Amino acid sequence: AQKITQTQPGMFVQEKEAVTLDCTYDTSDPSYGLFWYKQPSSGEMIFLIYQGSYDQQNATEGRYSLNFQKARKSANLVISASQLGDSAMYFCAMRDNTNAGKSTFGDGTTLTVKP
Amino acid sequence: DTGVSQDPRHKITKRGQNVTFRCDPISEHNRLYWYRQTLGQGPEFLTYFQNEAQLEKSRLLSDRFSAERPKGSFSTLEIQRTEQGDSAMYLCASGPAGQFIREAFFGQGTRLTVV
Repeated sequence: AQKITQTQPGMFVQEKEAVTLDCTYDTSDPSYGLFWYKQPSSGEMIFLIYQGSYDQQNATEGRYSLNFQKARKSANLVISASQLGDSAMYFCAMRDNTNAGKSTFGDGTTLTVKP
Repeated sequence: DTGVSQDPRHKITKRGQNVTFRCDPISEHNRLYWYRQTLGQGPEFLTYFQNEAQLEKSRLLSDRFSAERPKGSFSTLEIQRTEQGDSAMYLCASGPAGQFIREAFFGQGTRLTVV
């Protein structure tokens, strides 16, 4: 069974600073994908970044980067130069590539960016 | 706009009534997923389709829940004899077929309130 753990229910960051949102995962499958999604108060899930389990380099997408430490089973999201519009709920998720139907999500971290 | 659309966005129903939600995926996507999200938690997988075939169902999907995707395009999720515990956001997502799909694209969800 797959499990995602996000230990930070809420985080605060000053505008323009960087912030790291933690995510650890558990799986026995050798091939999997890790994702981060943003969910603003309007409710839609917005894809941010993806890391494959066999990818050698950490994924980056603009201001988002994923700090992937496979041995530790962690996939932390780093947001650089925080903006007020980054205030939202952030979810870490995992998909098993041998059963590419479902994703398992963590319980999320609420990020608040302070001006 | 060619994103995933869900209808209705909000639904209030009395306990014991039946409700049906609709999801229109991105047109070229073979896979369609349903998730349920309760307040303060991450989305939980309910079921997914590849084309018109329902390939996996979570045990969360009790016999009061049924999902269909009759022509491999839009999907419906029906809840019979609704209970207060069914109150949640119901999210639909779609994605292309393929083992190493990167991300699913989510709709804005249907928020169900059972009174």
